[in-house]
Amino acid sequence: DIQMTQSPSTLSASVGDRVTITCRASQSINNWLAWYQQKPGEAPKLLIYKASTLESAVPSRFSGSGSGTEFTLTISSLQPGDFATYYCQRYDSYPVTFGQGTTVEIK
Amino acid sequence: EVQLVESGGGLVQPGGSLRLSCSASGFTFSKYAMHWVRQAPGKGLQYVSGVSSNGVTTRYADSVRGGFTISRDNSKNTLYLQMSSLRAEDTAVYYCVKSGALMVEPTFDYWGQGILVTVSS
Repeated sequence: DIQMTQSPSTLSASVGDRVTITCRASQSINNWLAWYQQKPGEAPKLLIYKASTLESAVPSRFSGSGSGTEFTLTISSLQPGDFATYYCQRYDSYPVTFGQGTTVEIK
Repeated sequence: EVQLVESGGGLVQPGGSLRLSCSASGFTFSKYAMHWVRQAPGKGLQYVSGVSSNGVTTRYADSVRGGFTISRDNSKNTLYLQMSSLRAEDTAVYYCVKSGALMVEPTFDYWGQGILVTVSS
């Protein structure tokens, strides 16, 4: 099975910071990667699909890049509502799998 | 507005069975693949199962294959997950999730609020 590894597991940042989260696949998944945001007590929310396509209504401060085995999610200027846990998800084949998550916390 | 409302969760003994339902509204249910994703307490997301728009094609995580069965009733706009031989490690919040029309591109654009299943004696 293809493994997805996110780094870091936890990230401390301040409002206005540029934040980057990395997701690595154990083998190539082309660009079949999505990113989700989950706040405590809520369901996840789709942010990005096909590695870099922004989901409708998602703020443009979120961006995704990468292909093959290495991907990044970048938040250009962290806002108060962005403190949450972020998951990557590969969907090149079934069963799809998620990374273990990266929690962005207030510094 | 897309709404996905899960029901049927609760406490069940190890080895027992439970059927989850998900009532969908706000979109043409019969045109979209549907899925279940779970999250154990304090843990990450785990894909459970998916079904194509017409109900013919199904997919399962290795950990639930043989014990869980996904199905749908397009006349009732409802998704189901029949869970049997439940174990403690199946304890989780189960989310009903909508993806795109094509089952080959399972990105999850709408999620239900989730329902808790607890397997314990």
